[in-house]
Amino acid sequence: KQEVTQIPAALSVPEGENLVLNCSFTDSAIYNLQWFRQDPGKGLTSLLLIQSSQREQTSGRLNASLDKSSGRSTLYIAASQPGDSATYLCAVREYSGAGSYQLTFGKGTKLSVIP
Amino acid sequence: DGGITQSPKYLFRKEGQNVTLSCEQNLNHDAMYWYRQDPGQGLRLIYYSQIVNDFQKGDIAEGYSVSREKKESFPLTVTSAQKNPTAFYLCASSSTGTYRGEQYFGPGTRLTVT
Repeated sequence: KQEVTQIPAALSVPEGENLVLNCSFTDSAIYNLQWFRQDPGKGLTSLLLIQSSQREQTSGRLNASLDKSSGRSTLYIAASQPGDSATYLCAVREYSGAGSYQLTFGKGTKLSVIP
Repeated sequence: DGGITQSPKYLFRKEGQNVTLSCEQNLNHDAMYWYRQDPGQGLRLIYYSQIVNDFQKGDIAEGYSVSREKKESFPLTVTSAQKNPTAFYLCASSSTGTYRGEQYFGPGTRLTVT
């Protein structure tokens, strides 16, 4: 059964610092990997999706990489801002049979950016 | 605007009562999902549906039921058989098939049962 791990569980950085969030998964037979942001009491906002054939995706100050063979992904945030404070979750998409696909989520990394 | 709506945002119920959570999407997605989120547990899949009139159990389906009579709607009923129903419930949708299948989420419903 797929397991997705995110380390660290919480991270605090000063404003302006570049940072990396880590995500690892146990089964490399994935179709894609998605990074989400969740603000307290809110739903998930999709940040980036990397197909299994891709190595990285970029959106603004965010860059996500994927090394499928080693079961790792990183989310790089450049020049962090207090508004980046949130919980970041990664999820891998797998085939679950009968034409269905499911996401397996990590427990997230709670990021605090200190002004 | 395209998106997913969930209602209500907060729901309070007495133990022993069934309660239905609403989820509607106008993204023209075939697939819809219900997740439960508890502190420290991450998101867990309750039920999902790939097409109208068809749905499958996820990892924690016991005590829940769903229906999918319309493409746009996927309501979740939390029954009195669910032992610990207090949680944050999230609905999502996506296109089907191998390519992309990016999931989009609604704002969630926080259910409190006392």
